[in-house]
Amino acid sequence: GPKVLQIPSHQIIDMGQMVTLNCDPVSNHLYFYWYKQILGQQMEFLVNFYNGKVMEKSKLFKDQFSVERPDGSYFTLKIQPTALEDSAVYFCASSLDRNYAEQFFGPGTRLTVL
Amino acid sequence: GEQVEQRPPHLSVREGDSAFITCTYTDPNSYYFFWYKQEPGASLQLLMKVFSSTEINEGQGFTVLLNKKDKRLSLNLTAAHPGDSAAYFCAVSATSGSFNKLTFGAGTRLAVCP
Repeated sequence: GPKVLQIPSHQIIDMGQMVTLNCDPVSNHLYFYWYKQILGQQMEFLVNFYNGKVMEKSKLFKDQFSVERPDGSYFTLKIQPTALEDSAVYFCASSLDRNYAEQFFGPGTRLTVL
Repeated sequence: GEQVEQRPPHLSVREGDSAFITCTYTDPNSYYFFWYKQEPGASLQLLMKVFSSTEINEGQGFTVLLNKKDKRLSLNLTAAHPGDSAAYFCAVSATSGSFNKLTFGAGTRLAVCP
C-alpha cells in the first residue's frame, strides 16, 4: 500500500540545538500532519498542513516548532531550540483529501533531547 | 475539544479467546472513526475505518461496532492469536469543518498468550 517515509529513524541531540525531522509523504497526497507520541502514551496531534500553509495546530505546537514543504520536497518539522520535553516519537502522516480522512502514517522518528 | 477515552489500558487473553476494546468520545459531530494497530517500534497500521452511517463492520478476524447514541466505538478481536499482540488505538475525526485532526485514545496493550 501507500508508504510514508521518515528520516532519520532516530536522532539524539543536546538541549538547545536545532533539529529537523523529514517526512516523504505519499506522492499524490495533499494534506500533511505531524503527531507526537511520548513513550507509552497516545499519539497527539501537532499540526496539519495544506497548500503551503498551516491549517490547524494544537497547544503542543509551540512557538519553537515550524513546518514547511518547500517545492514539493520533504515535509519537515523543525524544532529550534529543542527542550527536554520534546523527547518523543514524531509521526508524520499524509492524506489524499480532507473529507475522505484516511491518514497514512510513517514509521516515526525517535527524538531524544539530552 | 474532542476527548476520547479508551478501555482497558492493558488486556491479556489466551490464544483463541476474544479481546474486546472500547472507546467513548465526546463530540457528537464526530463523523469518522478508526482503529489502528501498532506493533512495538512500528508505525500505525489501519485496521478499519468507519463512517457514521455504519454500525457494524467486519474485518479479517475482528468486528467493529459503532453506537452513535452512546458515542461508543468498539473493537472485538475474535479468536485472537499471538500475532495480534500489539497496541491498539482508536481515533476519531470531526466532520469536514475540521481539517482531519485525529484525536486518539490512550491505547490498549494487548497480549495474546499461546
